[in-house]
Amino acid sequence: QVQLQQSGPRLVKPSQTLSLTCAISGDSVSSNSASWNWIRQSPSRGLEWLGRTYYRSKWYNDYAVSVKGRITINPDTSKNQFSLQLNSVTPEDTAVYYCVRDNWNFLGSRGFDPWGQGTLVTVSS
Amino acid sequence: DIQMTQSPSSLSASVGDRVTITCRSSQSIITSLNWYQQRPGKAPKLLIYAASSLQSGVPSRFSGSGSGTDFTLTISSLLPEDFATYYCQQSYSTPSTFGQGTKLEIK
Repeated sequence: QVQLQQSGPRLVKPSQTLSLTCAISGDSVSSNSASWNWIRQSPSRGLEWLGRTYYRSKWYNDYAVSVKGRITINPDTSKNQFSLQLNSVTPEDTAVYYCVRDNWNFLGSRGFDPWGQGTLVTVSS
Repeated sequence: DIQMTQSPSSLSASVGDRVTITCRSSQSIITSLNWYQQRPGKAPKLLIYAASSLQSGVPSRFSGSGSGTDFTLTISSLLPEDFATYYCQQSYSTPSTFGQGTKLEIK
């Protein structure tokens, strides 16, 4: 059974960097049939996909336009985890952040499953 | 980006009712459509993937159908634990996008 465990600060000051980590058990961050995603949820923006990292002979990243230039998602194969860094945060970045696996087969995505437990990150001075 | 629109935004129903939630995409996504259930304070849970495939462990009273731009999630006979918010999500193209949600409430 795949499980994702999130960790990181819940309070970040404006203009600083939001950093979260997602530890994977039951699967590998280097899997050739999965991608590792960050999604956030807020009342104003709903569920918003932020980006992903995945391995297909080499590492790839994709990011949402809304956060491009501020976001980095990195795999850490030594710890079997991946991380989110979001720079220059503002109060609009206040949200519940989730790490999520997207499991693929030859037909395509099999949906986002599982999800981490969620981390409410508040951007405030 | 592909826009996902759900209807209705909220729905009142009773235990035992059959309910249907609709999701429409702004362009064809073939069958790259997934459904989630979210209870308050919890992460979304995958119910249906690829429009009609039931995720392992999900009760058979949940079903999905559709292709192209129009999709439905049906709950055949509501149980008390089914009152939650439901979301559709397209996995056809990046960025993946979600509907705004349908809140299913007890009548």
